[in-house]
Amino acid sequence: ILNVEQSPQSLHVQEGDSTNFTCSFPSSNFYALHWYRWETAKSPEALFVMTLNGDEKKKGRISATLNTKEGYSYLYIKGSQPEDSATYLCALYNQAGTALIFGKGTTLSVSS
Amino acid sequence: DSGVTQTPKHLITATGQRVTLRCSPRSGDLSVYWYQQSLDQGLQFLIQYYNGEERAKGNILERFSAQQFPDLHSELNLSSLELGDSALYFCASSPNRPLAGGGNEQYFGPGTRLTVT
Repeated sequence: ILNVEQSPQSLHVQEGDSTNFTCSFPSSNFYALHWYRWETAKSPEALFVMTLNGDEKKKGRISATLNTKEGYSYLYIKGSQPEDSATYLCALYNQAGTALIFGKGTTLSVSS
Repeated sequence: DSGVTQTPKHLITATGQRVTLRCSPRSGDLSVYWYQQSLDQGLQFLIQYYNGEERAKGNILERFSAQQFPDLHSELNLSSLELGDSALYFCASSPNRPLAGGGNEQYFGPGTRLTVT
């Protein structure tokens, strides 16, 4: 069973702080890793798709890195803003590439 | 707005009953996925359909079933409902051509919140 772990479970920062969280997964049989952003009362929205060891992706103030050999991905947010408050989900495709297995997410709260 | 629609938005029903949740994928997407989000649980993959055929199955109970119709909309049928089936049910769709080696990016609908009393 593919197990995707995210840490921390929740995080509270002040506006302007930079922060990062971790997604851990079994390093064997890696296919692809996706990051999603899920705001309260909305639906999850795709942020990044990562496939290769050493991948780095960036979208505005949010970036992500991938290490498939050691089984982790980091999501970074630079200069957090209140609108960044959301749950950030990490998901891995199973080996067959047919199903996304989600972690429980990291809930970020940014205070102004 | 992802382009994926789900109805109803909320549903309250009693134990033992049967309900049907409906999903319309983004225009042109052939794949539909169903997920369940229960309290304290992550999004749990239930089932995937591609162009009318079941493609992958996850942690879907035997009391649950799904289908995808020729117009590509999908329905998730939940029967003999139990209190523990109360959850947020999401549908997602994906483009037909997977990202190079990365699997399909999925677009989520707004969800149906099911409450079983």
